[in-house]
Amino acid sequence: GQSLEQPSEVTAVEGAIVQINCTYQTSGFYGLSWYQQHDGGAPTFLSYNALDGLEETGRFSSFLSRSDSYGYLLLQELQMKDSASYFCAVSWGSASKIIFGSGTRLSIRP
Amino acid sequence: DAGITQSPRHKVTETGTPVTLRCHQTENHRYMYWYRQDPGHGLRLIHYSYGVKDTDKGEVSDGYSVSRSKTEDFLLTLESATSSQTSVYFCAISDGGTPTDTQYFGPGTRLTVL
Repeated sequence: GQSLEQPSEVTAVEGAIVQINCTYQTSGFYGLSWYQQHDGGAPTFLSYNALDGLEETGRFSSFLSRSDSYGYLLLQELQMKDSASYFCAVSWGSASKIIFGSGTRLSIRP
Repeated sequence: DAGITQSPRHKVTETGTPVTLRCHQTENHRYMYWYRQDPGHGLRLIHYSYGVKDTDKGEVSDGYSVSRSKTEDFLLTLESATSSQTSVYFCAISDGGTPTDTQYFGPGTRLTVL
């Protein structure tokens, strides 16, 4: 079956850098996605990695190592509005089915 | 933002009653999904649809059924609600159906089964 592991909570300071790790075990792997969800809100797409390496989108970067079944989300220049839950997700099979991790709650201190 | 609405947004019901949740999209996307979100479990796929009248089961489909008679509407039915189905339900849509396609989520429905 499919499974993903990510830390349940991470705390960081405003203006700093934080890395959220994700390891996965799956068959038929296509790629690793990251979603952000604020309290009471809906998940929103952040990034997708199909190939090994780093993808950068503004303050957010995402990394994938297929050989290690590992990826991470890197958030730079943290802002208070980045306080949210972050989910890694694995794409597998057809119809863009996605399996989500349990989420990492990021708390940012002034 | 993708045009996705869910109704109702909140519902309280009693054990044993039928419940239907509606997802409506204005994007003409082919793929639609129903997820449930519970503390400590992230989002879990219940059912999905890859076209009108074409549906398939996800990882937690027991106790749920779906129907899609029009491209824009995807209904999730709990035939006889149980307390274990108390959850937040999210609908999502996707355009191309390939693993690289982004899923866009609706605002969610909070369901409480007493």
